[in-house]
Amino acid sequence: GQQLNQSPQSMFIQEGEDVSMNCTSSSIFNTWLWYKQEPGEGPVLLIALYKAGELTSNGRLTAQFGITRKDSFLNISASIPSDVGIYFCARLQSNTGKLIFGQGTTLQVKP
Amino acid sequence: DGGITQSPKYLFRKEGQNVTLSCEQNLNHDAMYWYRQDPGQGLRLIYYSQIVNDFQKGDIAEGYSVSREKKESFPLTVTSAQKNPTAFYLCASSMAGYLNQPQHFGDGTRLSIL
Repeated sequence: GQQLNQSPQSMFIQEGEDVSMNCTSSSIFNTWLWYKQEPGEGPVLLIALYKAGELTSNGRLTAQFGITRKDSFLNISASIPSDVGIYFCARLQSNTGKLIFGQGTTLQVKP
Repeated sequence: DGGITQSPKYLFRKEGQNVTLSCEQNLNHDAMYWYRQDPGQGLRLIYYSQIVNDFQKGDIAEGYSVSREKKESFPLTVTSAQKNPTAFYLCASSMAGYLNQPQHFGDGTRLSIL
């Protein structure tokens, strides 16, 4: 019940294309987080989701908390070269604040 | 300029040696965390602390130790008992673990074996 399944594992796209990635879990929980990690750096929080059905945007990024509370997706519109990195979904264990991470989606953007 | 500072950026360990990784935050966060990241994998929790002078084991605590004597500091010691210590180590903090507050990360320490 702890594991998060993130897909796709990697993506190689052309600049300007839209991107979609998702994360699923076998159990219900209350918080989805999406992070981006660039090489040699720590993950940076992109979007936090707290309610089932919630849809939140951050610039060209949009994320949704699935209505079943078992999944989430992240969309990036009109990708640019600086979008390159690894995108992680994570769930927050409410009583401890512990994060459980997905395996990550590696995004490469061709100029 | 508030944030989480990890040092050193790169660290090398000899066989049988203990090494300590530093993590300092000036965000006034109560909770702090240590994660390990291996190539091509997500982050795994080593230890966490929700309050000063208290800490809990995470999923992969064997071969590691921590202390939390000050709110702003949460050093991690990689002991000689950790047989595969080569990895990228990330420290994080949050307002309070039980309040569903997102964690914010430092820039990591890369540990290698000589």
